[in-house]
Amino acid sequence: DTGVSQNPRHKITKRGQNVTFRCDPISEHNRLYWYRQTLGQGPEFLTYFQNEAQLEKSRLLSDRFSAERPKGSFSTLEIQRTEQGDSAMYLCASSLASTGAFFGQGTRLTVV
Amino acid sequence: AQSVTQLGSHVSVSEGALVLLRCNYSSSVPPYLFWYVQYPNQGLQLLLKYTTGATLVKGINGFEAEFKKSETSFHLTKPSAHMSDAAEYFCAVSDQDTGRRALTFGSGTRLQVQP
Repeated sequence: DTGVSQNPRHKITKRGQNVTFRCDPISEHNRLYWYRQTLGQGPEFLTYFQNEAQLEKSRLLSDRFSAERPKGSFSTLEIQRTEQGDSAMYLCASSLASTGAFFGQGTRLTVV
Repeated sequence: AQSVTQLGSHVSVSEGALVLLRCNYSSSVPPYLFWYVQYPNQGLQLLLKYTTGATLVKGINGFEAEFKKSETSFHLTKPSAHMSDAAEYFCAVSDQDTGRRALTFGSGTRLQVQP
């Protein structure tokens, strides 16, 4: 297993367009997280799945954001009607209970 | 609610010198504590973690950290800095008592290593 995989690594989109990111976690990990990181800041929690159930969403996750993990394996994060303020690095992480989370390399979104 | 404060957004040391990166946390319940390292345009790599048991935790690349409950601290140290240690370091906390394990991060400390 090569770790958490995120695609694409970079995405440039025009304001108002929809974008979708994919995360493939470490195969035996049942917990999956999405975080957002802006320049000079630590990652901020967006949402959390245990298996296919989305158990928690941050207040940061506006109505334009939606995440799914349909079969408890890979996950997608969609942003509708992107805004310039959505420009950030989107990080996915996975874990087992009581272990540290393992992060992917992130998807850098630039909204122009 | 949990929070993490990392004192010093930038730390500069000479190669071979002691590295000390400071982290203080706030948590109303017993915490799990973590240090991550991030290289430019990369994700985060777990350096070490404290869950329960021994309060001095050893991690990868010669780093270690000590959990001090009375001081609510989890400072990261390395006896001798190497040029390859130059990176951004993040301290994080999660809640032992709940199941979700989502992390609350500090704002990070950028470590520079001078030759």
